[in-house]
Amino acid sequence: DIKMTQSPSTLSASVGDRVTISCRASQHIGYWLAWYQQKPGKAPRLLISKASSLESGVPSRFSGSGSGTRFSLTISSLQPDDFATYYCQQYNSWTFGQGTKVEIK
Amino acid sequence: QVQLVESGGGVVQPGTSLKLSCAASGFILSGHAMHWVRQAPGKGLEWVAAISFDGSNKYYGESVKGRVTISRDNSKNMMYLQMSSPGVEDTAVYYCARDRESGDNSYDAFDVWGQGTLVTVSS
Repeated sequence: DIKMTQSPSTLSASVGDRVTISCRASQHIGYWLAWYQQKPGKAPRLLISKASSLESGVPSRFSGSGSGTRFSLTISSLQPDDFATYYCQQYNSWTFGQGTKVEIK
Repeated sequence: QVQLVESGGGVVQPGTSLKLSCAASGFILSGHAMHWVRQAPGKGLEWVAAISFDGSNKYYGESVKGRVTISRDNSKNMMYLQMSSPGVEDTAVYYCARDRESGDNSYDAFDVWGQGTLVTVSS
């Protein structure tokens, strides 16, 4: 099985900060990687697919990069609505990372 | 609008079978592979099972293999997850999710999710 490892597990930041979340795959997955945002009590929301393709309606402050085994999600200027948990997912065999909680500093 | 609605959750005793349903609306179900994803209380997301557009291919996570069965009825716009002999470790919110691809030649990210149905396995 392909294991996905995110870092950090928790990230404390302020509104306006630039934040980056990393995701590493245990084996090469090309660019078959997605990022999801989840708020408490809600279903996940797809933000980015194919490592860097922004979904329609997702603010441009979100961006994704990487390929192979190393990926990242960047929020260029953190907004109040962005405090949530973020998950990466490889869709060769659909494993999720353990999640990164972005909390208010 | 495009929507997925899960049902069938509740409190069940260990070993009592349970069938979850996912009703699709606003899109043609037969054009998409579908998935079940679960989330135990306070934990992260865990992929459970996948089914191709026509039901010919099915895939299961290691933790549920042999204990759950995924199925679909495109004529009814429905997908299902049969849980046989669930244990306390299966307690979770179960989400159904749409794959952007059909699962014929490829799969993609999950672009539509339901609101989830809570399954609690307890004696």
